[in-house]
Amino acid sequence: GAVVSQHPSRVICKSGTSVKIECRSLDFQATTMFWYRQFPKQSLMLMATSNEGSKATYEQGVEKDKFLINHASLTLSTLTVTSAHPEDSSFYICSARLGLADEQFFGPGTRLTVL
Amino acid sequence: QKEVEQNSGPLSVPEGAIASLNCTYSDRGSQSFFWYRQYSGKSPELIMSIYSNGDKEDGRFTAQLNKASQYVSLLIRDSQPSDSATYLCAVNIAQAGTALIFGKGTTLSVSS
Repeated sequence: GAVVSQHPSRVICKSGTSVKIECRSLDFQATTMFWYRQFPKQSLMLMATSNEGSKATYEQGVEKDKFLINHASLTLSTLTVTSAHPEDSSFYICSARLGLADEQFFGPGTRLTVL
Repeated sequence: QKEVEQNSGPLSVPEGAIASLNCTYSDRGSQSFFWYRQYSGKSPELIMSIYSNGDKEDGRFTAQLNKASQYVSLLIRDSQPSDSATYLCAVNIAQAGTALIFGKGTTLSVSS
């Protein structure tokens, strides 16, 4: 399958700081990437859909000014958690859609801990 | 509201048995169906995709799709302890390019 990477894999930060997470498709071009959040023992929650060259589409209840998404190229999307608070601590996972197929491939995830 | 339903489990099977995981979906226009495996603390991994009615086999895994009944299943033959994970059913509705809709997952435990 296609390879998607995320960086960093783990980050610990102080409350009030901003954290940027990168998601890259390594061996294919991804016109669409998706950002998910998963709390312990809970299901995946879609946060937003990111299309290359256009504004992200956010799911209901997700603050677009807090979770900034940029999809500047066909292989890179970034999620910035601004002014992070302890309740933002979670497992953030991106996925990328392979071409015109519906298959989505997930990155390894980023575990964010806000102190 | 488009939904994907799975039994949360846990589903417990002995090593070597067949594990059967089930999923139903609400949108009759759904076109693409996927099974992902997620180990604890890891991200989901795509293990099967199926697009047309019937069975699709890949190694020890068989996906079964019945669009009339809005039902998709995953069979794991000769279950191994390493198969112990949460299995997520995902469905894409008719509009291509939209995000997958995930079920909450079924936890499978294979005992040796």
